[in-house]
Amino acid sequence: GAGVSQSPSNKVTEKGKDVELRCDPISGHTALYWYRQSLGQGLEFLIYFQGNSAPDKSGLPSDRFSAERTGGSVSTLTIQRTQQEDSAVYLCASSFKGIDNQPQHFGDGTRLSIL
Amino acid sequence: QKEVEQNSGPLSVPEGAIASLNCTYSDRVSQSFFWYRQYSGKSPELIMSIYSNGDKEDGRFTAQLNKASQYVSLLIRDSQPSDSATYLCAVNKADSSYKLIFGSGTRLLVRP
Repeated sequence: GAGVSQSPSNKVTEKGKDVELRCDPISGHTALYWYRQSLGQGLEFLIYFQGNSAPDKSGLPSDRFSAERTGGSVSTLTIQRTQQEDSAVYLCASSFKGIDNQPQHFGDGTRLSIL
Repeated sequence: QKEVEQNSGPLSVPEGAIASLNCTYSDRVSQSFFWYRQYSGKSPELIMSIYSNGDKEDGRFTAQLNKASQYVSLLIRDSQPSDSATYLCAVNKADSSYKLIFGSGTRLLVRP
């Protein structure tokens, strides 16, 4: 596709349930990033993929959060045993090769609400 | 101290005026700097990138970088009501995975 695609666009779930968020990056972009944005806040880095490997997971807030990427393309972010503080917009971005001067382009995000 | 700091605003300017948005960063070895525009409920949209000291112009937008002062700014000339949005400053961490560190954003209001 032309841009970064994320699904679902909205997700409402009960506390304690697991959720899976999906990101399909721009074709040809080998670097993929997950960020989280809480209401009225800036973006918080979660994890970076270069190809299928994740050299930087430093932003994952707890072991309930995990992510994988397969085929150097689609990535899924999984949150287990969701808590109310997990409510946020989860944004995925991709860039070409991950070279530091290559801009990151964002998807429309998944708005996650934990009841 | 936050790694990337912005005034939260709102910055209110009349239509046609110049809007000046400012950002400071703490990591002296940062190399790449970006301005994103985010409309309410939407994802960030890249509008400017700058890598060298000085000015970079693109249409009505000018980004200014001063690495010695650890300061980057965005000027919007001939501001339009459609420019009303939150502007996020982002800095690339020089010692890591090219992740971006974002400021919390400045909300800009352009009054008709």
